[in-house]
Amino acid sequence: EAQVTQNPRYLITVTGKKLTVTCSQNMNHEYMSWYRQDPGLGLRQIYYSMNVEVTDKGDVPEGYKVSRKEKRNFPLILESPSPNQTSLYFCASRVLSGGSMKAYEQYFGPGTRLTVT
Amino acid sequence: GIQVEQSPPDLILQEGANSTLRCNFSDSVNNLQWFHQNPWGQLINLFYIPSGTKQNGRLSATTVATERYSLLYISSSQTTDSGVYFCAVDLDTGRRALTFGSGTRLQVQP
Repeated sequence: EAQVTQNPRYLITVTGKKLTVTCSQNMNHEYMSWYRQDPGLGLRQIYYSMNVEVTDKGDVPEGYKVSRKEKRNFPLILESPSPNQTSLYFCASRVLSGGSMKAYEQYFGPGTRLTVT
Repeated sequence: GIQVEQSPPDLILQEGANSTLRCNFSDSVNNLQWFHQNPWGQLINLFYIPSGTKQNGRLSATTVATERYSLLYISSSQTTDSGVYFCAVDLDTGRRALTFGSGTRLQVQP
């Protein structure tokens, strides 16, 4: 089954304690990205990656890091979490260029609900 | 950037009723998707529909790209249809970030 997985699904942590949210896709997609969803602000992109070892900032990158060492994985790292990073996080992936296919649907993971106290 | 407006913002239906949700966007787009966010927060892909019409069971969608709008039709609604419906678009250039509308919150009552 084609899917994007995230772990953990729920996490409560304390300010300053480093954490990593993992994301993995099994569709061989070149493109992956992270979003956060906040009430009244909608979904905003944090970081994205066009391929292995190619990452760049989205709309709200401050306080986050990412890496793309393998095509299937795109972890989100919070080096020193703060309460303003309490949010619902989504990982997404898509084909970057489909040639004749031209179907650039983005697939989202199930979400990670993070609370930082 | 692209502006995406969805209407209505809230909708309450009795089970079995039909509804139409609208998405207007401010610029030409290459990709358009409809999502359902269920009460557990998961974003479920409904349609990838940059143009034309698609149907999947009780749901169907139509995008008129030249007039910059898309419609999502829900027929014979069920309580499990409750949640928030999002339209999202992107230009398929640069960051490929989806721009989401603010959503339509649907409540289907038994």
